[in-house]
Amino acid sequence: AQSVTQLGSHVSVSEGALVLLRCNYSSSVPPYLFWYVQYPNQGLQLLLKYTSAATLVKGINGFEAEFKKSETSFHLTKPSAHMSDAAEYFCAVSEGNQGGKLIFGQGTELSVKP
Amino acid sequence: NAGVMQNPRHLVRRRGQEARLRCSPMKGHSHVYWYRQLPEEGLKFMVYLQKENIIDESGMPKERFSAEFPKEGPSILRIQQVVRGDSAAYFCASSPLAGGPNTGELFFGEGSRLTVL
Repeated sequence: AQSVTQLGSHVSVSEGALVLLRCNYSSSVPPYLFWYVQYPNQGLQLLLKYTSAATLVKGINGFEAEFKKSETSFHLTKPSAHMSDAAEYFCAVSEGNQGGKLIFGQGTELSVKP
Repeated sequence: NAGVMQNPRHLVRRRGQEARLRCSPMKGHSHVYWYRQLPEEGLKFMVYLQKENIIDESGMPKERFSAEFPKEGPSILRIQQVVRGDSAAYFCASSPLAGGPNTGELFFGEGSRLTVL
């Protein structure tokens, strides 16, 4: 069975600092991996996705994530945090043939201090 | 191009009442997914529908919950005889394709927040 674990339910960084949100997955087949962002009282928005092409994936708003099979990880990073990055971030996994049936992690709330 | 539209945004029901949540997918999208987000938790898959067909309802509680996506009109998630534990945000998402390169690339609505008193 597939699963996703996000380490740290809350992460706080200073504006301009590196953002690192951790995600580890478990999958018996080559996974499709995603990061979604949720702003307060809104739906989720796709940040980026890995679908077995390049292992370093670039997304919107300056975010990127690296797929590391040996570590079963897909951590999300951004070199310099902006106040507008404050939101909840969800890592998700799916099997390639399951369409939009995603398994989500618990989420990590990112706070950005001025 | 309008996004995924959900209504109502907020719904308050007393225990035992029925809740109906509606979702209109993005134009051109024929695949609809419902997810539930309980407080302090991630989203949990409930059901996947195409027009007039339930494809996968493995995440839906066996009792009191039902979903449909008729030929005409929005998809509807129906919860009968609501209980306090049904209080959650219910998100609808749509996609143009079931698999392939767009797998998992879902477009979410803003959610319907159900409160059961």
